[in-house]
Amino acid sequence: VQLVESGGGLVQPGGSLRLSCAASRFIFSDSYMSWVRQAPGKGLEWVSSISSSNTIYYADSVKGRFTISRDNTKNSLYLEMNSLRAEDTAVYYCARDSGLGWGQGTLVTVSS
Amino acid sequence: QAVLTQPASLSASPGASASLTCTLRSGINVGTYGIYWYQQKPGSPPQYLLRYKSDSDKQQGSGVPSRFSGSKDASANAGILLISGLQSEDEADYYCMIWRSNTWVFGGGTKLTVL
Repeated sequence: VQLVESGGGLVQPGGSLRLSCAASRFIFSDSYMSWVRQAPGKGLEWVSSISSSNTIYYADSVKGRFTISRDNTKNSLYLEMNSLRAEDTAVYYCARDSGLGWGQGTLVTVSS
Repeated sequence: QAVLTQPASLSASPGASASLTCTLRSGINVGTYGIYWYQQKPGSPPQYLLRYKSDSDKQQGSGVPSRFSGSKDASANAGILLISGLQSEDEADYYCMIWRSNTWVFGGGTKLTVL
């Protein structure tokens, strides 16, 4: 399993960012994919998941601000993040199925 | 009260066994859930260790040594990760997780120190 996140960076409060996760070495289209974040020095927090049939779930903390999507033709997972807040600052990981595989993560910093 | 509660820290000696607990909030029955366990070392992503629901319904992660095992204590309403024959490389943060209402719920994590 290989998962590679990209798209993180520094953004001002209220700004937007789009994260990507490129998948390889497994059948992406059949997989349940998720985003999990970890604030600096803190524990893991589930953000959002999308099933192989495109059923979508969000944590209450991001509902209405974040949008998860997938493109099976590109073996890629995405997270569109809008109206970003300081408390969204974290390393964002993409994960396969029940966390059987994780990417290395991409850091999102929301600060003025 | 959090859905999943883990002790913040645990210390054990090399060669000994460590029992890491994941206690479910009152009213949430541990028997209903598969408990997932992950290991995370500093600067690295989490790694899947195992899933335990019952002795007949469990899954070991690929390449995960058999000295990592799962169980439950129904009387304590808790999932347990047992690590036997502790090695210095086992020093890490350990997280439990359950699927609940189509969401993933993580415990706060236990920092295991091997000294």
